[in-house]
Amino acid sequence: GENVEQHPSTLSVQEGDSAVIKCTYSDSASNYFPWYKQELGKRPQLIIDIRSNVGEKKDQRIAVTLNKTAKHFSLHITETQPEDSAVYFCAAKSGGSNYKLTFGKGTLLTVNP
Amino acid sequence: DTEVTQTPKHLVMGMTNKKSLKCEQHMGHRAMYWYKQKAKKPPELMFVYSYEKLSINESVPSRFSPECPNSSLLNLHLHALQPEDSALYLCASSHITSGPRGDTQYFGPGTRLTVL
Repeated sequence: GENVEQHPSTLSVQEGDSAVIKCTYSDSASNYFPWYKQELGKRPQLIIDIRSNVGEKKDQRIAVTLNKTAKHFSLHITETQPEDSAVYFCAAKSGGSNYKLTFGKGTLLTVNP
Repeated sequence: DTEVTQTPKHLVMGMTNKKSLKCEQHMGHRAMYWYKQKAKKPPELMFVYSYEKLSINESVPSRFSPECPNSSLLNLHLHALQPEDSALYLCASSHITSGPRGDTQYFGPGTRLTVL
């Protein structure tokens, strides 16, 4: 089955700096890669996603890049703000499944004012 | 309505109790999911229903019994749970087909379950 590794497990940045979180996946048939943000005690919320036919996607301060050859994808947050502090999970959906997402272990991002 | 709702928000139960968790969505999604999430861990898939039929059971113990009475509702019946079953139980929903509409899973706020 699919295996997703996520790094780093914790990341601390100063407000205004950029943050990068990286994930690798094992199944070359995976075709959908969402990123979820989960604040303490809240639900996971989709912040951006990318499909395997696209190399990069951007939404304001957030961008995701995908390298299918190397089987890795990354989340980039620019001009970080304290409200960006949360746990971020990457995930991958295998092309063989309509339903199952395999999650990375999460990154605790802390943005210091 | 673009939200998944769950009740109750919190639940405390003893090991001999029977209780149920409820999930509802009105986004026209025909796939619904139960996840279990322990502290500082990612969500862990338990069950998937598609078109109100059980599609995936991730080898979940029989003390957890899912039910999908209609396309908007999903229940999780709990019986004889163990303290290690204490966790946040998340419901999610999505469209069925793969592609731009089908891939995204929307999560509910979860039920925080404590088993004494």
